[in-house]
Amino acid sequence: DGGITQSPKYLFRKEGQNVTLSCEQNLNHDAMYWYRQDPGQGLRLIYYSQIVNDFQKGDIAEGYSVSREKKESFPLTVTSAQKNPTAFYLCASSIFREFLAKNIQYFGAGTRLSVL
Amino acid sequence: AQSVTQPDIHITVSEGASLELRCNYSYGATPYLFWYVQSPGQGLQLLLKYFSGDTLVQGIKGFEAEFKRSQSSFNLRKPSVHWSDAAEYFCAVGVRGSGNTGKLIFGQGTTLQVKP
Repeated sequence: DGGITQSPKYLFRKEGQNVTLSCEQNLNHDAMYWYRQDPGQGLRLIYYSQIVNDFQKGDIAEGYSVSREKKESFPLTVTSAQKNPTAFYLCASSIFREFLAKNIQYFGAGTRLSVL
Repeated sequence: AQSVTQPDIHITVSEGASLELRCNYSYGATPYLFWYVQSPGQGLQLLLKYFSGDTLVQGIKGFEAEFKRSQSSFNLRKPSVHWSDAAEYFCAVGVRGSGNTGKLIFGQGTTLQVKP
């Protein structure tokens, strides 16, 4: 089955710790995205990548980092600089690397991150 | 600034009743418009989209939406709601960036509860 796999489903972070959220897709999509979802705020874009070895900041990139070493993988690191990391994190992908505004995005099932 | 507003945070309807979820957007150019649905603890799934042409678009699960340029609206409708429609619904607008970039801007979401 083709799709987007996010792991782990639940993650707990200690003070001062960096944690990495995994996102893997086997859809052969060019573009990948990370969103943060907080209650009542919809989805906010953290980072996106249109091609391997390239990525762009979204609206709320501070305290986060990403890499895109392989087409199918786009891990997100929540660093200790992110002071309010508790949220639901969603990874998405879309077929084309161009015309991102009209690309249909396909979503993973999400990772819920909490602070201990 | 580009934005999407979903005025209703929470809506409750009886099973079998009709449904309309409101969405208003602010965007200077011709918009690309989307409706996504999210079941609890899951990712988002596309219901329908509008790029151009007929302003009444049909989607999956019996949903439809109408684009009204004069009102900057893209309301989602369903003639008869089923209990399985209980979920959170997100309206989004695709905005173009420089070059071939772009992104989706999401509304805050509307939670639909269905009474038996």
